[in-house]
Amino acid sequence: DAGITQSPRHKVTETGTPVTLRCHQTENHRYMYWYRQDPGHGLRLIHYSYGVKDTDKGEVSDGYSVSRSKTEDFLLTLESATSSQTSVYFCAISDQLAGDNEQFFGPGTRLTVL
Amino acid sequence: DQQVKQNSPSLSVQEGRISILNCDYTNSMFDYFLWYKKYPAEGPTFLISISSIKDKNEDGRFTVFLNKSAKHLSLHIVPSQPGDSAVYFCAASLDFGNEKLTFGTGTRLTIIP
Repeated sequence: DAGITQSPRHKVTETGTPVTLRCHQTENHRYMYWYRQDPGHGLRLIHYSYGVKDTDKGEVSDGYSVSRSKTEDFLLTLESATSSQTSVYFCAISDQLAGDNEQFFGPGTRLTVL
Repeated sequence: DQQVKQNSPSLSVQEGRISILNCDYTNSMFDYFLWYKKYPAEGPTFLISISSIKDKNEDGRFTVFLNKSAKHLSLHIVPSQPGDSAVYFCAASLDFGNEKLTFGTGTRLTIIP
């Protein structure tokens, strides 16, 4: 299994508070992604990174920001959490050199915004 | 706009029979397709993939079929086993080197013993 950890695994917070989720990898993969999973929507890309300090928006990036200061860490920040951001968040990594477009996923973070 | 669609939210299949999961896409530029399997409280795991230059790819009990003219792919699992009970996502990317994936909404497969 690819070495990907996410922290925290569960979080309950209140509307309007800032929240930061962390993704840590030990695979030295170039690409890192943040997705959210919601019923009826599958997995939707929030932001992704193609290198240290290189990030780009996905399809549902509003209300989220990311940072990648080291190859192994990719942070997702909700500046002011809203109830619509209650979801399960997955981090993923990939390495173009692996020969296919396979992404490896972390275990997920369940976030509840009250 | 859902570019990758899985129109069956759930599917139940008897153990030992064939499971067929379907996926449709609208973007004709998609060039590479993948299937992921997800158990509760875990992250998705890669199952099998197919390039648009092929119409079939097989890996053990799992076979993926691609019909480019119909913009349709399917995953066949034969024979189905209880451990196959999970949510299955199809995903697509614009080309082999493009790292961004667009996922479908998922199909929950239940294998009945």
